[in-house]
Amino acid sequence: DVKVTQSSRYLVKRTGEKVFLECVQDMDHENMFWYRQDPGLGLRLIYFSYDVKMKEKGDIPEGYSVSREKKERFSLILESASTNQTSMYLCATNGAGGTEAFFGQGTRLTVV
Amino acid sequence: DQQVKQNSPSLSVQEGRISILNCDYTNSMFDYFLWYKKYPAEGPTFLISISSIKDKNEDGRFTVFLNKSAKHLSLHIVPSQPGDSAVYFCAATEYNFNKFYFGSGTKLNVKP
Repeated sequence: DVKVTQSSRYLVKRTGEKVFLECVQDMDHENMFWYRQDPGLGLRLIYFSYDVKMKEKGDIPEGYSVSREKKERFSLILESASTNQTSMYLCATNGAGGTEAFFGQGTRLTVV
Repeated sequence: DQQVKQNSPSLSVQEGRISILNCDYTNSMFDYFLWYKKYPAEGPTFLISISSIKDKNEDGRFTVFLNKSAKHLSLHIVPSQPGDSAVYFCAATEYNFNKFYFGSGTKLNVKP
């Protein structure tokens, strides 16, 4: 079974803080993704990575950056958290040519 | 602009009846379509998928229909059960499976 683990289930951070969300997968998948889920908007892609040190912007990259130093780990960084980044963050992976994405359990981030 | 759309934010169905969830897409390059199910405070889990070379795929109580000419797919759940109550996301990807595009979700409530 694919396991995708996000470091925190719930986080509360203050406006202006630098926030790190970590995601680790154990299936040697090439592709990793960060989404955010908001009511009425569904899942929107923030960034994705198809290899170590490679990254591509998704649909809503503003205010975020990512890091992939090792194949199994993909980090999402909020450089200076703002209240409009309060959301559910979901990490996903899939193997090259794989037909489905596997998700972590999500991190509910609240920025106050 | 969203390339995958779910126009019904919610659906309520009686236990034992059929649930029909709909999804439309705009990108004719989409080659593969998926449905995910999501419970609150959990990550989405894969439910069923269909390739663009097919028009129907069945897995137990779940059937997905694809109408390529109308750029429309639907998920049928028969019979519906209270445990099916969740948010359902439609997703699509091009042949390289490098990016998954999600709809805004439909919240299904199956009443006992």
